[in-house]
Amino acid sequence: DTGVSQDPRHKITKRGQNVTFRCDPISEHNRLYWYRQTLGQGPEFLTYFQNEAQLEKSRLLSDRFSAERPKGSFSTLEIQRTEQGDSAMYLCASSPGRTSTDTQYFGPGTRLTVL
Amino acid sequence: AQSVTQLDSHVSVSEGTPVLLRCNYSSSYSPSLFWYVQHPNKGLQLLLKYTSAATLVKGINGFEAEFKKSETSFHLTKPSAHMSDAAEYFCVVVGGKLIFGQGTELSVKP
Repeated sequence: DTGVSQDPRHKITKRGQNVTFRCDPISEHNRLYWYRQTLGQGPEFLTYFQNEAQLEKSRLLSDRFSAERPKGSFSTLEIQRTEQGDSAMYLCASSPGRTSTDTQYFGPGTRLTVL
Repeated sequence: AQSVTQLDSHVSVSEGTPVLLRCNYSSSYSPSLFWYVQHPNKGLQLLLKYTSAATLVKGINGFEAEFKKSETSFHLTKPSAHMSDAAEYFCVVVGGKLIFGQGTELSVKP
């Protein structure tokens, strides 16, 4: 399978704990995106990387959230001091990065539940 | 700022009848627009994209959409619904990042 993969698929945590999610993009895709989807809503943009550079962050990305893509390959999204409002599906997508309208290929998502 | 509005949160059709999922966009310049589909417990999949070429765009699984600048619309259609089309559909305006509509849930009755 050469698609976008995410790990874990499900995460249940207690309020106040830290969590980290991983995304492995399609090989040789330069751009990597993170989105968040809550129940009954469309996904919302969080941040994106061009290779290892984080080029844009949404206002949704509070200072408790941090994302990295250290070698321009996989990416991690960490949430510190989780809150119940962080419960959502976290989606990762990658694209070749040649144009702004390149197709973004999505992973299956990580479902976070904060108790 | 760019945005999309999906006019129906839920659409129900009978198998074999036409499908129409409505989307209006707002953009200060000529937009690029996508439709994505999300089946239960599966990842988002691109159905089709409009990037300022032909205004009638054909996608996978028999879906198509027409870009109408005068109406600021990008409605998704399919001539004949199949049970496997039941899913959530998202209209998206593209500006590097994707800006999603709220989604339309399509139900297909046998």
